[in-house]
Amino acid sequence: LAKTTQPISMDSYEGQEVNITCSHNNIATNDYITWYQQFPSQGPRFIIQGYKTKVTNEVASLFIPADRKSSTLSLPRVSLSDTAVYYCLVALAGYQKVTFGIGTKLQVIP
Amino acid sequence: NAGVTQTPKFRVLKTGQSMTLLCAQDMNHEYMYWYRQDPGMGLRLIHYSVGEGTTAKGEVPDGYNVSRLKKQNFLLGLESAAPSQTSVYFCASTRSGESYEQYFGPGTRLTVT
Repeated sequence: LAKTTQPISMDSYEGQEVNITCSHNNIATNDYITWYQQFPSQGPRFIIQGYKTKVTNEVASLFIPADRKSSTLSLPRVSLSDTAVYYCLVALAGYQKVTFGIGTKLQVIP
Repeated sequence: NAGVTQTPKFRVLKTGQSMTLLCAQDMNHEYMYWYRQDPGMGLRLIHYSVGEGTTAKGEVPDGYNVSRLKKQNFLLGLESAAPSQTSVYFCASTRSGESYEQYFGPGTRLTVT
């Protein structure tokens, strides 16, 4: 299983762009990269998924360099409601035997 | 669609008691999962199921049993609860083995005294 490393916490002011980088040096050829968001007292929620280059949806962008050993989740113009824990996962489809790490706790400041 | 629901939301058990947590999904998903979340530990996979009638062990299966008698339900059982099983339990589902999007339930907070 690919191990991931991401910052434990980050602070950002409202309206700024936030970039959270995840390292996954031993990613396998067939692994995909996914990011989840978790608010207090709720289950995680899928944000975005990618294999390489750039993926964008209505919530975030995901940048993956050619070597795929890292990925960066980009949240444009964050608001207070984006305060949450963000998890980076590297896995095959189906999520068998996958563990979420401790994630990155993002605190958005007014 | 209710999505993924979990019953109960909260429970307090005494050491040695047993209980069953129920997870239900109405999205016709094939795969279902049980995780536990402890402070500073992230989410760890307990057991999972790739279809009705099948189950498999995850990272931390000891002390738990599961059953998937119906496609929409995934039950997690604690036969003899221990204080180390105090945690928040999350159920999740995915559409198939080709899917990367997991849908999570709201969680069950279990305290074992």
